[in-house]
Amino acid sequence: GAVVSQHPSWVICKSGTSVKIECRSLDFQATTMFWYRQFPKQSLMLMATSNEGSKATYEQGVEKDKFLINHASLTLSTLTVTSAHPEDSSFYICSARVEAGAYNEQFFGPGTRLTVL
Amino acid sequence: AQSVTQLDSQVPVFEEAPVELRCNYSSSVSVYLFWYVQYPNQGLQLLLKYLSGSTLVKGINGFEAEFNKSQTSFHLRKPSVHISDTAEYFCAVSDLSGTYKYIFGTGTRLKVLA
Repeated sequence: GAVVSQHPSWVICKSGTSVKIECRSLDFQATTMFWYRQFPKQSLMLMATSNEGSKATYEQGVEKDKFLINHASLTLSTLTVTSAHPEDSSFYICSARVEAGAYNEQFFGPGTRLTVL
Repeated sequence: AQSVTQLDSQVPVFEEAPVELRCNYSSSVSVYLFWYVQYPNQGLQLLLKYLSGSTLVKGINGFEAEFNKSQTSFHLRKPSVHISDTAEYFCAVSDLSGTYKYIFGTGTRLKVLA
């Protein structure tokens, strides 16, 4: 149980285009999902907390107009990188939180490799 | 606020030797602690977690970790490593407040030598 998928697993796009990445919780509902970014040989940096039915909460320094997050259902959150540029090339990982009172554990997707040419 | 420190960026070790990867955390409240492994171009795989109870936690692939509250540490150990254990290892902490955020350490690259 507690499987999280991401689609696509990798994407190459031209500079200036927008790219949408999907994160799905396959066997549980998640009102809270998270989006992380990982540059080569670096750790995961939290970009934003995605809340079902409400606006996402962005971490300091993350441009909310550039990284659009939509959490329209209890099993799906999407991250759209708008007007992508080469510096946005990175590994994007999502996670979904299992909810059971105060219990707190996130399950991670396999990641999406974005390359902007 | 929480923070995680992984002091060793790289740890080379010979095959079948024991290894310890260090993780120290800082928090003013109770926390959950996790160790993840990441192979090249892949996502995170959970090795083990400490939520409560016994301070010695056993995980997958022969790994274990001990939660030491007084030293605020959660070091990862394996008595005998294999070439296939070569990967990046991340320690993470999460508090029990309402944010549910994970804070990751900078990672330790374990390189197992033949």
